[in-house]
Amino acid sequence: QKEVEQDPGPLSVPEGAIVSLNCTYSNSAFQYFMWYRQYSRKGPELLMYTYSSGNKEDGRFTAQVDKSSKYISLFIRDSQPSDSATYLCAMSVPDSNYQLIWGAGTKLIIKP
Amino acid sequence: DSGVTQTPKHLITATGQRVTLRCSPRSGDLSVYWYQQSLDQGLQFLIQYYNGEERAKGNILERFSAQQFPDLHSELNLSSLELGDSALYFCASSVGTDSGNTIYFGEGSWLTVV
Repeated sequence: QKEVEQDPGPLSVPEGAIVSLNCTYSNSAFQYFMWYRQYSRKGPELLMYTYSSGNKEDGRFTAQVDKSSKYISLFIRDSQPSDSATYLCAMSVPDSNYQLIWGAGTKLIIKP
Repeated sequence: DSGVTQTPKHLITATGQRVTLRCSPRSGDLSVYWYQQSLDQGLQFLIQYYNGEERAKGNILERFSAQQFPDLHSELNLSSLELGDSALYFCASSVGTDSGNTIYFGEGSWLTVV
């Protein structure tokens, strides 16, 4: 079993829909949670960064961490075709030798 | 633009050859990471350097090596190349090594081995 599980998709939704992307993890020591967006053949770009539990909102994006369920989510409101990309979750434990553990990425397609 | 610069953007080489990928981290970042991403595959961590010293190793093959120079730029050397080494190679950088540091990625070097 991988430390971080993420459905690779593709997930196809119509423009304007609310998108929910998720990752589950097994290591309860994870405290830092990140979502990266990667357009085709481009470098991943940090979207959201959360420490420990709770929600964080930035514009149309909301990141949610549920440590009791070992489950994190990224919600995208009013989805746009430009949101079509692969979304990767990443997480790490508090450590001086920082290593990110990555999900496989979910390919999202927003249909106009 | 993340501020991380990678060269070359694309290269095609033959099996058995050796190539060098170069990375300049963001200004002020001391830590450099190398990742490999094959077609439709996730990111595979290869190696990390911090201020010139190797900090962590991931799934890096013995045919691959890296170094970070005093000016903090880094190079990833890939030798005895095989078809399966064809992939996007990303460099990323962060200020430090502690958890919580944000990692910024370059645009990648696309390697095709023929």
